[in-house]
Amino acid sequence: EVQLLESGGDLVQPGGSLRLSCAASGFSFSNYAMYWVRQAPGKGLEWVSGVSGNGGTIYYADSVKGRFSVSRDNSKNTLYLQMNNLRAEDTATYYCAKAAHDWIVVEYWGQGTLVTVSS
Amino acid sequence: QLAVTQSPSASASLGASVKLTCTLTSGHSTYAITWQHQQPEKAPRYLMRVNSDGSHSKGDGIPDRFSGSSSGAERYLTISSLQSEDEGDYYCQTWGSGVTVFGGGTKLTVL
Repeated sequence: EVQLLESGGDLVQPGGSLRLSCAASGFSFSNYAMYWVRQAPGKGLEWVSGVSGNGGTIYYADSVKGRFSVSRDNSKNTLYLQMNNLRAEDTATYYCAKAAHDWIVVEYWGQGTLVTVSS
Repeated sequence: QLAVTQSPSASASLGASVKLTCTLTSGHSTYAITWQHQQPEKAPRYLMRVNSDGSHSKGDGIPDRFSGSSSGAERYLTISSLQSEDEGDYYCQTWGSGVTVFGGGTKLTVL
């Protein structure tokens, strides 16, 4: 059974930093691309970043480019999102998600972790 | 620019059928999409992938009441024999040139 467990969400001041983690199990982690997707309170889903199975290909949404950095440790089956220079508009529940055999399909989701950016 | 558009809301009666639509932007009519369902206060769940030829492949445990189809730049999700647990937000999602996009979602109310 695929399981994705996010952690690291917290209340942080504008301009601050936070690192999210996603522990994966139930599948061969290094064989699959992974995503971060966020959802602001009462809003829709917004893609944040994607990383290939070996970490060699990385994509970012324009809204986070230059501030967020995605990485993965395949030896630990863990995905990370380093978030710097946080803004109020980054307040959201952040979901880790697993791709299927190509980039197109977002196949499994974690339960999410809440990031609140406020003074 | 790649994008998908959805109607903001839909409603249908318990036991009836409903068809939701996702429209791809011009120039992207051959793209596959996925449908994701989010019940209130829960994480999204993958329902299915719908290809441009109308073929579709469903996620684990998705019942036969859910089906997908296509026509031109439109991708559809049909839910038959509606149940109360089908309420929630339905998002279509696609990917192209390194960018994943989600539609704004359709809020489905089961009457």
